Amino acid sequence: DIQMTQSPSSLSASIGDRVTITCRASQSISSYLTWYQQKPGKAPKLLIYAVSSLQSGVPSRFSGSGSGTDFILTISSLQPEDFATYYCQQSFSTPRTFGQGTKVDIK
Amino acid sequence: QVQLVQSGAEVKKPGASVKVSCKASGYTFTGYYIHWVRQPPGQGLEWMGWINPNSGGTNYAQNFQGRVTMTRDTSISTAYMELSRLRSDDTAVYYCAREGYGYRGPLDYWGQGTLVTVSS
Repeated sequence: DIQMTQSPSSLSASIGDRVTITCRASQSISSYLTWYQQKPGKAPKLLIYAVSSLQSGVPSRFSGSGSGTDFILTISSLQPEDFATYYCQQSFSTPRTFGQGTKVDIK
Repeated sequence: QVQLVQSGAEVKKPGASVKVSCKASGYTFTGYYIHWVRQPPGQGLEWMGWINPNSGGTNYAQNFQGRVTMTRDTSISTAYMELSRLRSDDTAVYYCAREGYGYRGPLDYWGQGTLVTVSS
């Protein structure tokens, strides 16, 4: 199975901060990397797929980069509605493993 | 608009089975795989498997092999996930989600989740 490791597990940030979250795969997953956002009591929401493709309706302050095994989610200027938990997932092979999540809260 | 609507919360005893439904609307049901993902309270997301609604073919995570069965009824655009021999650590919110953008695509639409509580 491919292991997905996110860092950090949590972070505190202020409105307007630039935030980066890292996701590392235990082997190459090509471009099959997706980012989701989840708020308490809600289903996950698709943010970015294929490493860097922004899902329709997602603000442009979200961006993704990386290749092979190392990937980054960047929020260029954190907004109040961005406080949530973020998960990466690989779809290169089954099982389609998720990272353990990164919780972003208010400093 | 695409919607996945899941069945309501369930309370089950250890050793029992649960069957969760996921009704799709707003798109061609047989054109997109349906995945199941669960989330224990306060924890992360765990992928359980997928079903191809067109063929009925399935792919299950090893952790659930022998205990999970995913089926579909194309006449009513509904997918099902049945988990048997329930244990207390199966207590979780269970989500169905559609795989978009072709094979090995992201999960672009999600159901609202179904809480399954396993307790004696």
